[in-house]
Amino acid sequence: DAKTTQPPSMDCAEGRAANLPCNHSTISGNEYVYWYRQIHSQGPQYIIHGLKNNETNEMASLIITEDRKSSTLILPHATLRDTAVYYCIVRATSYDKVIFGPGTSLSVIP
Amino acid sequence: SAVISQKPSRDICQRGTSLTIQCQVDSQVTMMFWYRQQPGQSLTLIATANQGSEATYESGFVIDKFPISRPNLTFSTLTVSNMSPEDSSIYLCSVFGRDSNTEAFFGQGTRLTVV
Repeated sequence: DAKTTQPPSMDCAEGRAANLPCNHSTISGNEYVYWYRQIHSQGPQYIIHGLKNNETNEMASLIITEDRKSSTLILPHATLRDTAVYYCIVRATSYDKVIFGPGTSLSVIP
Repeated sequence: SAVISQKPSRDICQRGTSLTIQCQVDSQVTMMFWYRQQPGQSLTLIATANQGSEATYESGFVIDKFPISRPNLTFSTLTVSNMSPEDSSIYLCSVFGRDSNTEAFFGQGTRLTVV
């Protein structure tokens, strides 16, 4: 069974913030939320991960709800190069396998 | 970080033949993972390869069809055997970073077309 649920597709205007939601209502206490993206014809790329606190790095911000049942990946100023499929994944850290769901296909529109 | 090289990057093969895909990592890693990505689909994990032991296959994948070798800590091969057009996919190799199992790194993939 899929551990996460994401919308299949989203559009975002170039320069605006892209907010990608993810539901993970069955997440366990030791599981982290990870985000990867796959730009066309490339291997997936790690973006960010978090446990329960909000996280930010040079690529994105991750907002996790207090009950940890959902999260949002925020790309603050989307560019055309951010057009990709974004995968939300939950996994524990102890060498747990990375299992991909269908992801969200984000299209950044000029 | 980890840099992964996959060979070949693409190939067109005749049905009934086999193709061996190589994955080379620039550092020693405990586990290596093989994925398949069918056209327009997400990635599906085929198996986990540990050095010195047999690979562990996910449901729906069998060793006879996808034999895997892991001769050392930096190299692995995946063979797609007795190919059919349904095997046309991108095959990707993945590892965790040398110093952390937080981030998974992926090769650029091998694009296989079976005719």
